Amino acid sequence: QKEVEQNSGPLSVPEGAIASLNCTYSDRGSQSFFWYRQYSGKSPELIMFIYSNGDKEDGRFTAQLNKASQYVSLLIRDSQPSDSATYLCAVEDGNQFYFGTGTSLTVIP
Amino acid sequence: DAGVIQSPRHEVTEMGQEVTLRCKPISGHDYLFWYRQTMMRGLELLIYFNNNVPIDDSGMPEDRFSAKMPNASFSTLKIQPSEPRDSAVYFCASSFGSRNQPQHFGDGTRLSIL
Repeated sequence: QKEVEQNSGPLSVPEGAIASLNCTYSDRGSQSFFWYRQYSGKSPELIMFIYSNGDKEDGRFTAQLNKASQYVSLLIRDSQPSDSATYLCAVEDGNQFYFGTGTSLTVIP
Repeated sequence: DAGVIQSPRHEVTEMGQEVTLRCKPISGHDYLFWYRQTMMRGLELLIYFNNNVPIDDSGMPEDRFSAKMPNASFSTLKIQPSEPRDSAVYFCASSFGSRNQPQHFGDGTRLSIL
């Protein structure tokens, strides 16, 4: 079983809608959770990170952790065409840093 | 403040040649990570350093791969001999303070082995 799993998508949402991206992880001891955005041909760019003690909101982005079900989600409100990218989830479990394979998001104007 | 700097941006070489990728982390960052990204396998951690010391190289695929960090501002990833299956984008990233802090990525080196 992979340590971090994401639905590869593509996920398509209309402009202005809420995009919901999910990521599941296998290690219950995971402490740190990260969301990166990667445009085609570019490097991953940090969007948000949370620790096991709570959710976080930053502008249009909200990261939520469900420890019982072992998944972390990223919500993007008022989606814009510029949000179209691949979103990578990363989890740090105290020993290793694991990335998911990413979810491709397309925001349709 | 300058970000993580990688060179070269693109490298095309023939199978069997030695390839050296270079990375300059963000000044003051004490963790440095090397990743490989392919369509099939996504982003894979190859090795990471803390204070110039290699901590975990379990992701290095074979003995053909080696990495060094002679000082706090420079690291290399070397492949010798290179093979076509090594073709990928190689990223270097750095972070400050601990392994669970956010990592900042360089622009990557797109490597093609013919």
